[in-house]
Amino acid sequence: NAGVTQTPKFQVLKTGQSMTLQCAQDMNHEYMSWYRQDPGMGLRLIHYSVGAGITDQGEVPNGYNVSRSTTEDFPLRLLSAAPSQTSVYFCASSGQTNTGELFFGEGSRLTVL
Amino acid sequence: GIQVEQSPPDLILQEGANSTLRCNFSDSVNNLQWFHQNPWGQLINLFYIPSGTKQNGRLSATTVATERYSLLYISSSQTTDSGVYFCAVLGQNFVFGPGTRLSVLP
Repeated sequence: NAGVTQTPKFQVLKTGQSMTLQCAQDMNHEYMSWYRQDPGMGLRLIHYSVGAGITDQGEVPNGYNVSRSTTEDFPLRLLSAAPSQTSVYFCASSGQTNTGELFFGEGSRLTVL
Repeated sequence: GIQVEQSPPDLILQEGANSTLRCNFSDSVNNLQWFHQNPWGQLINLFYIPSGTKQNGRLSATTVATERYSLLYISSSQTTDSGVYFCAVLGQNFVFGPGTRLSVLP
């Protein structure tokens, strides 16, 4: 049972490059979300989705795009990477938006030079 | 939005000691979870506990929703318990506390 799978685990970008962090879950969860974790800042919500075709912004959405074309996948796109986006990114999913247990992927470490 | 506080921010223990970590939140919530982030960065689910008490081996947790706090108890700590412990509460979205960094010394 894979749970929540993130790829890649590590990535180095140059300023201005674009990339997509992939997230897939095999638990048929409706709710999916992306967090970033920075030293001393805890986990902050970037974007979330309560179902296919529905996305919304979290606490720190600037510089990131998301889409949810299927229940299983929730990619996070950086259109023009900046050094301030150097962080560890976590994808998470939950079976129910308002009560379900949240499960995390293993994280993706991104460095922007 | 909901505010989440955790205490203490840092804790150093000798192996075998017991500890209590606290999570306070500012509003009523539908969901509260405790996570352990190990030294490799993985976030591991410990408890899903919107109310009541649960136990899992040496760990237990209690949430008093009416008083807006939750406690995580670690008994007979081991070096593998080291890492950061987060509580997360669900209002409109999940909000994480700043974490308690635990170091268990051999």
